Amino acid sequence: AQSVTQPDIHITVSEGASLELRCNYSYGATPYLFWYVQSPGQGLQLLLKYFSGDTLVQGIKGFEAEFKRSQSSFNLRKPSVHWSDAAEYFCAVGGKAAGNKLTFGGGTRVLVKP
Amino acid sequence: GAVVSQHPSRVICKSGTSVKIECRSLDFQATTMFWYRQFPKQSLMLMATSNEGSKATYEQGVEKDKFLINHASLTLSTLTVTSAHPEDSSFYICSATPPGLVYEQYFGPGTRLTVT
Repeated sequence: AQSVTQPDIHITVSEGASLELRCNYSYGATPYLFWYVQSPGQGLQLLLKYFSGDTLVQGIKGFEAEFKRSQSSFNLRKPSVHWSDAAEYFCAVGGKAAGNKLTFGGGTRVLVKP
Repeated sequence: GAVVSQHPSRVICKSGTSVKIECRSLDFQATTMFWYRQFPKQSLMLMATSNEGSKATYEQGVEKDKFLINHASLTLSTLTVTSAHPEDSSFYICSATPPGLVYEQYFGPGTRLTVT
């Protein structure tokens, strides 16, 4: 069965500092990986996705993620955080073996200090 | 593109009544829609997969007679919570898959259900 682990429940970062959110997955075939962001009381917005090719993926809002197959990881990064980046971030895995279903990690809540 | 809406955004109902939540794909036709439930400060749990013109497929542990899903058209899926109880209070989110993007999902803004 597929699973996603986001080891950090909360992360606090100062505005302007860099941010890295960890994501580890378990999937028995070629994974399709996603990062979503959720603002309070809102739905999820897709930040970026990885299906194949270049393992460094660029997304919206200045985010990027790197797929490392050997480590079963898909960590999300941003070089300089803005106050508006405070939100909940979810990593998800899917793929052909799962049909079209996604499995989500538990989420990481990011707090931004002024 | 790939905009999904939900209505209502918030609903309060009395225990024992039923409530319907609509999920619409606004600028594309979605053969598949998904319904999730999210408890406070928790992740999304898939409830069911809704395919246009056929019965929904429910995840293990989800009561299909309590959570009725109808995907009557390529742009509309509805979730009806029947005989709602306070423990059904939650944030319900739908998503839809655009044509040609089988493995991607675009999410609605969610519906906050409170059962009193």
